Amino acid sequence: ETGVTQTPRHLVMGMTNKKSLKCEQHLGHNAMYWYKQSAKKPLELMFVYSLEERVENNSVPSRFSPECPNSSHLFLHLHTLQPEDSALYLCASSQDLASEYNEQFFGPGTRLTVL
Amino acid sequence: AQSVTQLGSHVSVSEGALVLLRCNYSSSVPPYLFWYVQYPNQGLQLLLKYTSAATLVKGINGFEAEFKKSETSFHLTKPSAHMSDAAEYFCAVSDRLDSNYQLIWGAGTKLIIKP
Repeated sequence: ETGVTQTPRHLVMGMTNKKSLKCEQHLGHNAMYWYKQSAKKPLELMFVYSLEERVENNSVPSRFSPECPNSSHLFLHLHTLQPEDSALYLCASSQDLASEYNEQFFGPGTRLTVL
Repeated sequence: AQSVTQLGSHVSVSEGALVLLRCNYSSSVPPYLFWYVQYPNQGLQLLLKYTSAATLVKGINGFEAEFKKSETSFHLTKPSAHMSDAAEYFCAVSDRLDSNYQLIWGAGTKLIIKP
């Protein structure tokens, strides 16, 4: 595997389910991100991790719970979601957060549908 | 804080015609700037980046962008559109938040290619 991978690619869940999204980066980066991309809305940054520590949480509802067990893996745990949470969830990584030249590398995303 | 404005949520051009996608940023200090492309059902991919080395930046797939400080612009162009260019394009600027650098995203422009 190369780059940033995400599983699953598609997920359909009911509002009472619990599921997790997984992201893995094979680039040796130290920073990882979760974004939400909804139709007709700008890209929304949800969480940022640097060296496995959360550095930003942009007022995301508690029904989204991130986990970063090491610098290569990032999870997004989902529970009691709402239909408006249906979106494409993108994971990204970058070398670190200290450089102004902070190119981010993206995974293919998980298309989430909440029924 | 920085902001990025992409003029036009949709741009439609004929195959073979010039492509021009507009991006303006808010900073008075020349920032690092990026253009990303997102093909349907995929993640974002870096198209090109400005890092102050040259004002005219060439990217992949025949795209280029010119940094104009006086206009605070970084417009994306391609001389001749191809059907495969149909995608959504995002402009981003690097911004410092506390001690970390992150990307601030424009809302995106969907490029439609007419046969």
